[in-house]
This record gives sequence, C-alpha cells and structure tokens, in this order.
Amino acid sequence: AQKITQTQPGMFVQEKEAVTLDCTYDTSDQSYGLFWYKQPSSGEMIFLIYQGSYDEQNATEGRYSLNFQKARKSANLVISASQLGDSAMYFCAMVYTGGFKTIFGAGTRLFVKA
Amino acid sequence: GAGVSQTPSNKVTEKGKYVELRCDPISGHTALYWYRQSLGQGPEFLIYFQGTGAADDSGLPNDRFFAVRPEGSVSTLKIQRTERGDSAVYLCASSLGGVTYEQYFGPGTRLTVT
Repeated sequence: AQKITQTQPGMFVQEKEAVTLDCTYDTSDQSYGLFWYKQPSSGEMIFLIYQGSYDEQNATEGRYSLNFQKARKSANLVISASQLGDSAMYFCAMVYTGGFKTIFGAGTRLFVKA
Repeated sequence: GAGVSQTPSNKVTEKGKYVELRCDPISGHTALYWYRQSLGQGPEFLIYFQGTGAADDSGLPNDRFFAVRPEGSVSTLKIQRTERGDSAVYLCASSLGGVTYEQYFGPGTRLTVT
C-alpha cells in the first residue's frame, strides 16, 4: 500500500538559513507524482513544488527545491534563506497513476526563529 | 481569479443529524477532491471526481458518506447519521486533472458533531 512518512514532527531553523524537511514514500508503482504543500495557521493548503517519478532533474521553485532520490524513495524539501513567513505545517503528498488517490504524510511543523 | 470556495465555513450539528457540505471549484477545473483533516494530521483522501463521475471513492469511510457533482462543477459532500468521530475539517480541492497538476485547496469546512 502507498504510504508517506514524515519523521520530523517539528523543526526549528534560524531566519535566513536553509532547512531540509524529510519525506519518504512507499509504493510499488513506477509512475507517480510527489508534491509538497504548506499549511499556515490560517488553514489553507498552498502548493509549493511537484516532482514526477520520471523526472531526472530535481524540481525547483524559487526558494524551494526537492531533493528526489528515487532509489531511496525519498523526496525531501529544501527551503533556502528561511523567512519568518515560512513558519507553518508542511505536508508531503503522493499521487499515483493507479488511481487518483492522494496520500498525505502527517506533516512537519516548521518554526523560523528571528 | 476566484479560488476554491467552501460553504459553510463552520457547521455544528447534533449526533445523528444529516449535513451537506458544498464546494465550488475553480472554473475550468475538471478534477475535484474531498479530504478530511483531523487535528494534527495530514489530509485524508475521501473521493475524487473527474467531471461528473466519481473516479475514485475508495477513501469514503462508510456508506454514511456520499458525494455528488451533478454538472461537473459544484460538489456536495453528504454525511448521514453523523457521529462525533466525523468531527474534522473537510477540505475540497480542484485541479486541471491528471497526476502532474497541483491541487488548489479551499479554506475548508469545520464540522463539529455534538
């Protein structure tokens, strides 16, 4: 069965530093997509970045990059130059082409310190 | 442009009652998802629509839950004989469809069953 594991319930980072949020996934499918979403305290989920299972290059979107290691089944999110507004919950998610069910991890709460 | 909207934003109901939660997706988005998010957890997939049809309803917990999207736009999640365990935030998301497209989430409906 498909599963997403986020092992860091909470992370602290100093403003302007980089931080890596871990995500591992479990699937027997060859074709799938990996997403990261941000959920601020306001509650609305915000798309950050996408990585396809066949993409050879790591995805980047501004200050966000995805460290995709397919053999290890990991898709870690790297946030560079952290800002106070980055304080939020971050969720890793997977969609597989066997269906359209989207599986989310339990999330990591990031605290950015001034 | 307008994002995904959900009504009501809050719903308090008594155990055993029937509730309907509404989702208005982004215009032109053919794919629509419903999720349930309990406190401190990631969103839990409930159902996925492509157009008017439920392409994947494997996440519906039992037959008390039902969702429709009769014209391929607005969707309604219906919960019969509500139980206290149904209390959660119900999120709706829409996308252009397919695994490569990000989902745009609504603000959610907080359901409380007393």
